[in-house]
Amino acid sequence: KNEVEQSPQNLTAQEGEFITINCSYSVGISALHWLQQHPGGGIVSLFMLSSGKKKHGRLIATINIQEKHSSLHITASHPRDSAVYICAVQLGGAQKLVFGQGTRLTINP
Amino acid sequence: GAVVSQHPSRVICKSGTSVKIECRSLDFQATTMFWYRQFPKQSLMLMATSNEGSKATYEQGVEKDKFLINHASLTLSTLTVTSAHPEDSSFYICSARDAEGWSSYEQYFGPGTRLTVT
Repeated sequence: KNEVEQSPQNLTAQEGEFITINCSYSVGISALHWLQQHPGGGIVSLFMLSSGKKKHGRLIATINIQEKHSSLHITASHPRDSAVYICAVQLGGAQKLVFGQGTRLTINP
Repeated sequence: GAVVSQHPSRVICKSGTSVKIECRSLDFQATTMFWYRQFPKQSLMLMATSNEGSKATYEQGVEKDKFLINHASLTLSTLTVTSAHPEDSSFYICSARDAEGWSSYEQYFGPGTRLTVT
């Protein structure tokens, strides 16, 4: 079993829908990152969380440390949100990240 | 926000040759840089952690003599793929930690370099 599991692996939705991507992890962490990777390959860091909730524009990220679970929400989704969303955790005091397998999101107009 | 650049963005080389990829932090100093490799439809895999002025720490299974990493300054790390083979064709991504950032956990990713070995 991977240390970081994302669901779903693939998600297709219509423009305007509310999107939720989930991330569960099985180890103690110091921080959790949500990343976005577009088809060209470049990666953008969306959020870094160690507790609670963060919001940036239409994106919301939450984390429940006790349940070892995080969610990424996209409100009023748009075709330009189509990308792979990756959850990554920072283990304890370590510097390196452990990545989930990614969720491929497709938003149709 | 902090910017990390990589050069080149794409490179095609012949089997047996060496290729150097640069990773630069443009507006901050990075004591630590990370090199990742990503095969198609797979997630990122950490290859090595590079600390300025010291030897890189390689992950298990990564050949340090094949993937040479140099982190000679606080803004530049290089990855050299030596004697490249077609199986080294992949997408290589670096990330950098801001040495003086408000969060010791924040990492900034470069745009990646697509290497094709023919």
